[in-house]
Amino acid sequence: AQSVTQLDSQVPVFEEAPVELRCNYSSSVSVYLFWYVQYPNQGLQLLLKYLSGSTLVESINGFEAEFNKSQTSFHLRKPSVHISDTAEYFCAVSESGAQKLVFGQGTRLTINP
Amino acid sequence: DSGVTQTPKHLITATGQRVTLRCSPRSGDLSVYWYQQSLDQGLQFLIQYYNGEERAKGNILERFSAQQFPDLHSELNLSSLELGDSALYFCASSVDVWDSSYEQYFGPGTRLTVT
Repeated sequence: AQSVTQLDSQVPVFEEAPVELRCNYSSSVSVYLFWYVQYPNQGLQLLLKYLSGSTLVESINGFEAEFNKSQTSFHLRKPSVHISDTAEYFCAVSESGAQKLVFGQGTRLTINP
Repeated sequence: DSGVTQTPKHLITATGQRVTLRCSPRSGDLSVYWYQQSLDQGLQFLIQYYNGEERAKGNILERFSAQQFPDLHSELNLSSLELGDSALYFCASSVDVWDSSYEQYFGPGTRLTVT
């Protein structure tokens, strides 16, 4: 069975500082990996995904994540955060051939001015 | 706006009661998924429908059931409600089962409070 572990439940950072949100997964088959963001009182939005090809994937708002198969990780990074990045971030995995998502527990990112 | 709509936005009911949550997928999407987000369990996949047929089942209780209608909207029925069923219920949709983008679009959720 698949599982996803987000190692930090909360990450406080200062504005314009870099941030890394950690995600590790376990699965016995090939997987697809996703990061979703949930802004306060809203639904989830897809931030970025890894399906195949280049292991480094980027979002339009400056986030990037790198798929590391040997370490079974898919950490999310941003070199300089903004107040508007305050949200909860969820890492998710789905097995290739299936579409249901298995989510981690989420990491609450708070940005301090 | 993802294009997925869910009604109602909030629902408050008593233990033992039955409720129905409704989801309309994005125009053209054939696949609908239901997820439950609770403080205890986090975000969990409940069930998936594709073009009216059940496709995959997750941690869905026997007291819960779902269906997808010919117009592709879906309903999640929760019965004999317990306090622990209080959660945010999300619906998501995708183009179809074999869509290679694997992208799911989430609705705003229905917050269920059982008192």
